[in-house]
Amino acid sequence: GENVEQHPSTLSVQEGDSAVIKCTYSDSASNYFPWYKQELGKGPQLIIDIRSNVGEKKDQRIAVTLNKTAKHFSLHITETQPEDSAVYFCAPRRGYQKVTFGTGTKLQVIP
Amino acid sequence: NAGVTQTPKFQVLKTGQSMTLQCAQDMNHEYMSWYRQDPGMGLRLIHYSVGAGITDQGEVPNGYNVSRSTTEDFPLRLLSAAPSQTSVYFCASRTGQGFDEQYFGPGTRLTVT
Repeated sequence: GENVEQHPSTLSVQEGDSAVIKCTYSDSASNYFPWYKQELGKGPQLIIDIRSNVGEKKDQRIAVTLNKTAKHFSLHITETQPEDSAVYFCAPRRGYQKVTFGTGTKLQVIP
Repeated sequence: NAGVTQTPKFQVLKTGQSMTLQCAQDMNHEYMSWYRQDPGMGLRLIHYSVGAGITDQGEVPNGYNVSRSTTEDFPLRLLSAAPSQTSVYFCASRTGQGFDEQYFGPGTRLTVT
């Protein structure tokens, strides 16, 4: 099965700064790379995803970049705001197959 | 659309008791999964189903049973609760076709004493 690692496990940034979370995976056949955000007391929710034929995708303040050769992808959040404080999970997979989640990154944005 | 619903929200059990966590979705999704989330840890897959009548084990299936008699419902049964099963349980669903988003329920917080 897929081995997934996320770094860092915790991240504190000042409001307005940028945050970067990296996800490393083991299955070279993985072709779908989503990021989920989990707010306190809630289930995770998809915030951005990318497919293997694309190197980068951006949606307002968040972006995902993919390096298939090195088998890692990263979540970039710019101009961080207090509402970005949450736990973020990556969940790479091969298309329809079952999902393995990373161990999560707790992001704290300090006002 | 209610999305993915889970009941109950909270439950306290004594060691050895059994119970069923309910999960339902109204999006006509074929693929449904159960995860557990322990403090400071990620989500670990317990069981999943790719369609009615089909279930399979995930990473941590011991102590849990599932069945899928309809597309909408995917209950998780704890056969004989143990303190190690104290966790937050999330049900999730997706279409099961390619690059599809996974939708999560609000979770059930279970404590076993």
